Amino acid sequence: NAGVMQNPRHLVRRRGQEARLRCSPMKGHSHVYWYRQLPEEGLKFMVYLQKENIIDESGMPKERFSAEFPKEGPSILRIQQVVRGDSAAYFCASSPPQFQAETQYFGPGTRLLVL
Amino acid sequence: AQTVTQSQPEMSVQEAETVTLSCTYDTSESNYYLFWYKQPPSRQMILVIRQEAYKQQNATENRFSVNFQKAAKSFSLKISDSQLGDTAMYFCAFGAQGGSEKLVFGKGTKLTVNP
Repeated sequence: NAGVMQNPRHLVRRRGQEARLRCSPMKGHSHVYWYRQLPEEGLKFMVYLQKENIIDESGMPKERFSAEFPKEGPSILRIQQVVRGDSAAYFCASSPPQFQAETQYFGPGTRLLVL
Repeated sequence: AQTVTQSQPEMSVQEAETVTLSCTYDTSESNYYLFWYKQPPSRQMILVIRQEAYKQQNATENRFSVNFQKAAKSFSLKISDSQLGDTAMYFCAFGAQGGSEKLVFGKGTKLTVNP
């Protein structure tokens, strides 16, 4: 059973470009979470999605950031017009469809560097 | 809002010895989960151990065990017979049962196991 997949693993963008980060959850998991880790910091929650629905986006910056989890295909975190402060590691996690808080399994992360 | 505090930015231990990492949290929730995640130099987030708040018995996974003190809101991780491969950042995380199920992370403790 493959784990959570993220691609690309490393992404370099120039200021003003767009960054698209992809996450495929573990098989059988329908809940996806995105977290951001700045250098020397812990992970900060960004958004929680189920198929075709955003459940909680309280951690998402108000501008330039968006996320989706379509019926088919991976979840996408999109950052428009990137700035140097967006440089960070972005982790995706998934969990199975349960009523209770379930363990979240993390992907390897995407390291975004904005030049 | 929940907060998680890890008061030890860095710790070191000799190989084969025992070390305890501290974590305290603040919440008004009565039902929740607590986790310890390990982040080695590869930066992959790896689940170490999980504790349900409604369980009085402390969780154990091989050389890893927790001391969960619900009234004190304390959740420490004990690593016995430390191995070089335990060198990593360790993050304590809180997850409320129900709701958005997002995890709230501490800032981490950098553990170095010395030969």
